[in-house]
Amino acid sequence: EAGVAQSPRYKIIEKRQSVAFWCNPISGHATLYWYQQILGQGPKLLIQFQNNGVVDDSQLPKDRFSAERLKGVDSTLKIQPAKLEDSAVYLCASSRSTSGTYSYEQYFGPGTRLTVT
Amino acid sequence: DAKTTQPNSMESNEEEPVHLPCNHSTISGTDYIHWYRQLPSQGPEYVIHGLTSNVNNRMASLAIAEDRKSSTLILHRATLRDAAVYYCILGGNQFYFGTGTSLTVIP
Repeated sequence: EAGVAQSPRYKIIEKRQSVAFWCNPISGHATLYWYQQILGQGPKLLIQFQNNGVVDDSQLPKDRFSAERLKGVDSTLKIQPAKLEDSAVYLCASSRSTSGTYSYEQYFGPGTRLTVT
Repeated sequence: DAKTTQPNSMESNEEEPVHLPCNHSTISGTDYIHWYRQLPSQGPEYVIHGLTSNVNNRMASLAIAEDRKSSTLILHRATLRDAAVYYCILGGNQFYFGTGTSLTVIP
């Protein structure tokens, strides 16, 4: 079974530029998550999708971050415009959960390391 | 946000058992107890989870206190590949990682 795929693995941009990250979850997984992990901290949930609907985006900075999951499969996370404090690893995860609860395990991708200069 | 309390760091000798504690005194009846670990430069990896009963899988065992206010992740024989940050997470309305326990395995 293929794991969660993410691209790119690394990205360096200047502040005020835009950037997009892509995630392909494990086949058949209804729930997809995007996390932000700043160096030295644990991952922080940004947004959770169930199929193509948003379950939780309470910690997503909506003035600059956006995410979509068209057709309930792949997902894209965008930052526009980027700030220095957005430098972090962006992790995508997926789960078999169909109820929005955390009763199932999550499988994580390798992440995208973003550096904003 | 922090619902769990873990020691910042622990050490273990190779091939010895490791008991990683976690306190979650405000756990609600529907919160699952999850454990994930993260090796350097990798995404978190699922270890184990449970609701009320103790759980075993090929990686580890999860011992849950009767009142569910604490739990312990047990690695039966630590190897060098088990050196990682271990996160104890309550899965209810939120999924908050915290800062975890950094486990060092001594050869």
